[in-house]
Amino acid sequence: TQLLEQSPQFLSIQEGENLTVYCNSSSVFSSLQWYRQEPGEGPVLLVTVVTGGEVKKLKRLTFQFGDARKDSSLHITAAQPGDTGLYLCAGEDYKLSFGAGTTVTVRA
Amino acid sequence: EAQVTQNPRYLITVTGKKLTVTCSQNMNHEYMSWYRQDPGLGLRQIYYSMNVEVTDKGDVPEGYKVSRKEKRNFPLILESPSPNQTSLYFCASSENRGYASYEQYFGPGTRLTVT
Repeated sequence: TQLLEQSPQFLSIQEGENLTVYCNSSSVFSSLQWYRQEPGEGPVLLVTVVTGGEVKKLKRLTFQFGDARKDSSLHITAAQPGDTGLYLCAGEDYKLSFGAGTTVTVRA
Repeated sequence: EAQVTQNPRYLITVTGKKLTVTCSQNMNHEYMSWYRQDPGLGLRQIYYSMNVEVTDKGDVPEGYKVSRKEKRNFPLILESPSPNQTSLYFCASSENRGYASYEQYFGPGTRLTVT
């Protein structure tokens, strides 16, 4: 059983559409990280959220940490083909635990 | 350029033939770890090391060994590989974690197939 559940598992959208990826857990985390992984490469950190309710923006990407620090979401506005990849969330308590990931495909 | 390197990138081997996957980082990081990535299961930690000569088991350590004789290197050893160890392996490094959220820097991955 995954400590962190990500949904949906797969997401395919047209360029210009918006999308949201969810990361949920029954556990409380001291922080939560989001990574993006492209084929043939290792994951790369996008953002770390630390405070419950925190919202961080990275260009067209908006990350939110739930008030109770058990869940997080990633919203992409006006998705582009370059946003294609595997998005992973990772929660930290005394160690880092990863979700299984959401594979996002943005069609041109 | 700051990076984590792994070798080999691809490896096909047979059951029982010992192998080593090397990992090296040039960022002077104290913390290093190994993960395996399987479809639907995400990244699972195999072993980690807080510093030289300090290693500990992660979530799925069975069938693996590691060593940390130098700060920059953290090899993963499979003494007797089995087909269930077929997977994509990642080495990662970061500043010493403690309880802070330090960025993990990942290598490019090693795809291992055990027949």
